[in-house]
Amino acid sequence: AQTVTQSQPEMSVQEAETVTLSCTYDTSENNYYLFWYKQPPSRQMILVIRQEAYKQQNATENRFSVNFQKAAKSFSLKISDSQLGDTAMYFCAFMRPPNAGNNRKLIWGLGTSLAVNP
Amino acid sequence: GAGVSQTPSNKVTEKGKYVELRCDPISGHTALYWYRQSLGQGPEFLIYFQGTGAADDSGLPNDRFFAVRPEGSVSTLKIQRTERGDSAVYLCASSLNLGTTQYFGPGTRLLVL
Repeated sequence: AQTVTQSQPEMSVQEAETVTLSCTYDTSENNYYLFWYKQPPSRQMILVIRQEAYKQQNATENRFSVNFQKAAKSFSLKISDSQLGDTAMYFCAFMRPPNAGNNRKLIWGLGTSLAVNP
Repeated sequence: GAGVSQTPSNKVTEKGKYVELRCDPISGHTALYWYRQSLGQGPEFLIYFQGTGAADDSGLPNDRFFAVRPEGSVSTLKIQRTERGDSAVYLCASSLNLGTTQYFGPGTRLLVL
């Protein structure tokens, strides 16, 4: 069974600085999808970034980028130029590929609570 | 366009009562998912619909939980004989066909007294 581990329950960063959130996962699949979602106090789960395992290039979305290390099964999120609005819970999630049949659920880590301090 | 909507936003009920939670997916999204998130935890998968049929209901904790999606759009999660342990945020998400990205609603916070 697939598992997702986020080893940092809480982190903090000063505004405008850079922070990296860790995520590791376990799977026997060769192709799969990885996601980072952000959940602010409003509890709306917001997609931050997505990575397909077959793509070697790391995904980027503005200030957000990932370091995807497939062999190490590591998928860390880097937030550059942190802003107060980045304060939220961040969840790493795994999904099996489309050819895995009906198994389309997301498997989640426990989350990392990030506080951006002024 | 409009995102995923969920109603009610908050629901307080008494132990033993029946509740219904509603999810309205993004227009055109054929896949719909329900997750449950307990305090301090990541979401936990409950059930997934492709069209009108439940493609995977392996996450439903017991037979008190049931979900329907009769017309392939709006879905209702139904919980019978609620227990205090059912208290959680219930999240709904939708995706385009078998697309990989799931878009979430704001959730329904259920509190069972």
